[in-house]
Amino acid sequence: GAVVSQHPSWVICKSGTSVKIECRSLDFQATTMFWYRQFPKQSLMLMATSNEGSKATYEQGVEKDKFLINHASLTLSTLTVTSAHPEDSSFYICSARVWTSGAFFGQGTRLTVV
Amino acid sequence: RKEVEQDPGPFNVPEGATVAFNCTYSNSASQSFFWYRQDCRKEPKLLMSVYSSGNEDGRFTAQLNRASQYISLLIRDSKLSDSATYLCVVNKRGEGSSNTGKLIFGQGTTLQVKP
Repeated sequence: GAVVSQHPSWVICKSGTSVKIECRSLDFQATTMFWYRQFPKQSLMLMATSNEGSKATYEQGVEKDKFLINHASLTLSTLTVTSAHPEDSSFYICSARVWTSGAFFGQGTRLTVV
Repeated sequence: RKEVEQDPGPFNVPEGATVAFNCTYSNSASQSFFWYRQDCRKEPKLLMSVYSSGNEDGRFTAQLNRASQYISLLIRDSKLSDSATYLCVVNKRGEGSSNTGKLIFGQGTTLQVKP
């Protein structure tokens, strides 16, 4: 099946710094990828849709200047959490949609901002 | 109202039990439906797609009722390894019922199978 690889799997950073998370499709080309965030005991919440070669589209309430998304190639999308604060601590997951097979997810990145 | 609603549980059942999870969705134009499984601190993994005619995969049976906008998952002969959170997932329709490719997740139902 399709494989999506996400890196890093966990990161601890100081408040005010930026963190970049990478999401790669390993055996297929993904023109569209999705970024989700999950807080403890809550469901995955869609943050934005990453489109190869064009601007990402963000869900309502998600700050595009804080969560920078770049999708420069057909196999790589990156999410940068800028000026991270403790309230940004969460589980961030990317996915690529395979239309009739649902979505395949990266392993997730657990971000802790101290 | 949430777009996808599930009973969060937890459901605590003994090994060998049959357990059913329910889910409702609000957008009648939704076309694709899935059940995902998520283990603690891991990414979700596709368990099965859900079709109007109903479908079965081993001990798992999924049903869809479009009229009631209701999806179910039945697990027979529960195993300890079935303990996880089960996520009901629906595709998000855009304007004019266009397919956005986005998936909307329910809160998840937690299952704990005990020996």
